[in-house]
Amino acid sequence: QVQLQESGPGLVKPSQTLSLTCTVSGDSISSGSYYWSWIRQPAGKGLEWIGRIYTSGSTNYSPSLKSRVTVSLDTFKNQFSLRLTSVTAADTAVYYCARGSGWPYSFDVWGQGTMVTVSS
Amino acid sequence: QSGLTQPPSVSGAPGQRVTISCTGSSSNIGAGYDVHWYQQLPGIAPKLLIYGNGNRPSGVPDRFSGSNSGTSASLAITGLQPEDEADYYCQSYDSSLSGSVFGGGTKLTVL
Repeated sequence: QVQLQESGPGLVKPSQTLSLTCTVSGDSISSGSYYWSWIRQPAGKGLEWIGRIYTSGSTNYSPSLKSRVTVSLDTFKNQFSLRLTSVTAADTAVYYCARGSGWPYSFDVWGQGTMVTVSS
Repeated sequence: QSGLTQPPSVSGAPGQRVTISCTGSSSNIGAGYDVHWYQQLPGIAPKLLIYGNGNRPSGVPDRFSGSNSGTSASLAITGLQPEDEADYYCQSYDSSLSGSVFGGGTKLTVL
């Protein structure tokens, strides 16, 4: 059974870079055809898709975040990561990593989520 | 930015049937892209409820069903139970964004 677990700092200062890692267990991140994705949810609000990286390494990002986001894959560590630069208070949210399956992909496996607060 | 539109809230009594709508556009649902539905209980990560318009993952009761028509999709819940009280989100692919798009979410209250 595939499981995902987010990790990273819970507090980031404004203008700095938010970095999170999602560790995949139960299967190889490079096996199959999956879209490894990041999704966030501000407190009391809805879900926002941030971006994804395909098993092959190709990426796509939300247009509203594209200039600040990078999603990368580390097949040796069986992890994928999120970098969000120049953060502001508006980036404060619970960040989820998720596995996208099928086409168009649905998110069939989710991490438990990690709260990131942007504050000085 | 393109998005999917859901009603903020719906409610129903135990045993009743409720539906949650998800309205899109010609670049997502209207383009024929599948709609998926998620259930999110308070403080917990979303759970895939319906995929590919109307398919249920293993373990999801058949009280939950999905359908779509034109630029809209619907989630129906029959035999409403107290444990169904949660937030529900629709999701699809949007060709103008080259990525996923979510609805704003609907809070279901079981009266």
